[in-house]
Amino acid sequence: EPEVTQTPSHQVTQMGQEVILRCVPISNHLYFYWYRQILGQKVEFLVSFYNNEISEKSEIFDDQFSVERPDGSNFTLKIRSTKLEDSAMYFCASSFPSGATISTDTQYFGPGTRLTVL
Amino acid sequence: KQEVTQIPAALSVPEGENLVLNCSFTDSAIYNLQWFRQDPGKGLTSLLLIQSSQREQTSGRLNASLDKSSGRSTLYIAASQPGDSATYLCAVGYSTLTFGKGTMLLVSP
Repeated sequence: EPEVTQTPSHQVTQMGQEVILRCVPISNHLYFYWYRQILGQKVEFLVSFYNNEISEKSEIFDDQFSVERPDGSNFTLKIRSTKLEDSAMYFCASSFPSGATISTDTQYFGPGTRLTVL
Repeated sequence: KQEVTQIPAALSVPEGENLVLNCSFTDSAIYNLQWFRQDPGKGLTSLLLIQSSQREQTSGRLNASLDKSSGRSTLYIAASQPGDSATYLCAVGYSTLTFGKGTMLLVSP
């Protein structure tokens, strides 16, 4: 069964460093998302991406964050200058197979990247 | 702003029991409601999606219902098993999902 994959599974970085989290969405999906979950807290929406541009973003997704689909398979989240409070599990998700109806839009999540900022 | 609340926060039951997990949301103008399972340190596994025009969905031992007018959804798990132990998350929305904090379920043998 197709699945969303994410690399690395765990990333440790120093405060102020740039990190890039990578995701490979399900191949025929058209929408891509990033969410994060700080330890012990709710899963929070960061950004959605469709047709090579951001379609929605939350107030968390400030100028330190960016997303890119550099080729036909990868979807990346870049944090330019990491802060301690960026430590969280970051989940990538994808949805909406081409040809599906929007009302049946199930989001499929990857296993996550645990980001630790020291 | 949509708020999603899940009760109880934790639940411990013996194997074989039927159980109900609750989810409530503040804005009834939802599109879809999705139930997920999260194992410790792992990603989210989609269990069921209920479209806003539907009242329930079933998959195996799981049955989810949706009552938009009261802003509630329930996830019913029949004949619980130790392998059902996980955190169950409810999320509402269309392209952006708003999550509850989850119910941590422990099914003991």
